[in-house]
Amino acid sequence: GAVVSQHPSWVICKSGTSVKIECRSLDFQATTMFWYRQFPKQSLMLMATSNEGSKATYEQGVEKDKFLINHASLTLSTLTVTSAHPEDSSFYICSARALDSRGDNEQFFGPGTRLTVL
Amino acid sequence: KQEVTQIPAALSVPEGENLVLNCSFTDSAIYNLQWFRQDPGKGLTSLLLIQSSQREQTSGRLNASLDKSSGRSTLYIAASQPGDSATYLCAVRPNSGYALNFGKGTSLLVTP
Repeated sequence: GAVVSQHPSWVICKSGTSVKIECRSLDFQATTMFWYRQFPKQSLMLMATSNEGSKATYEQGVEKDKFLINHASLTLSTLTVTSAHPEDSSFYICSARALDSRGDNEQFFGPGTRLTVL
Repeated sequence: KQEVTQIPAALSVPEGENLVLNCSFTDSAIYNLQWFRQDPGKGLTSLLLIQSSQREQTSGRLNASLDKSSGRSTLYIAASQPGDSATYLCAVRPNSGYALNFGKGTSLLVTP
């Protein structure tokens, strides 16, 4: 199977600090990774799309200077929430599109990271 | 903009019942549709993926159908069990691009 990990699984931080979340494809190379955010009782909303070695594409309404995305390799993408505030508290989930033919059809999702900003 | 709607938002059934979850989408130009399961505080587990050219997919007690022209999909769960309790999400992938559009989900509770 295709396994995607996220680290940390949960994090609690103080308002104003920055938090980095890692998304790794463990047994495959990912040409594209997606970052989603899920508020309680809501659907997953796409935040940004990142391709290895290039700048991320952000969805409308998502501040690129606040949510920094780095996709330095074919197996790792990071999301940094800068100057976090309580309204950034949410469940962040990444997914990865495989470089091989599986990428034609589906994405593989990570287990998510619960961020709580006090 | 693609809108994905899931009905009902919540459902409670006794164990053993067969049930149907509904998903509708506004733009029929989809590449595929996928059903996921999400347990509280957890990530997504892919259940079934239906290509736009397919009408249905089956896996065990689960059967998903797709009517692309009318913008509808259903997830049928046979002989429900308490372990089926979770939130079920429907997601569509557009013809253009790879990012998924999700519905808000149906929260299912199967009581013993």
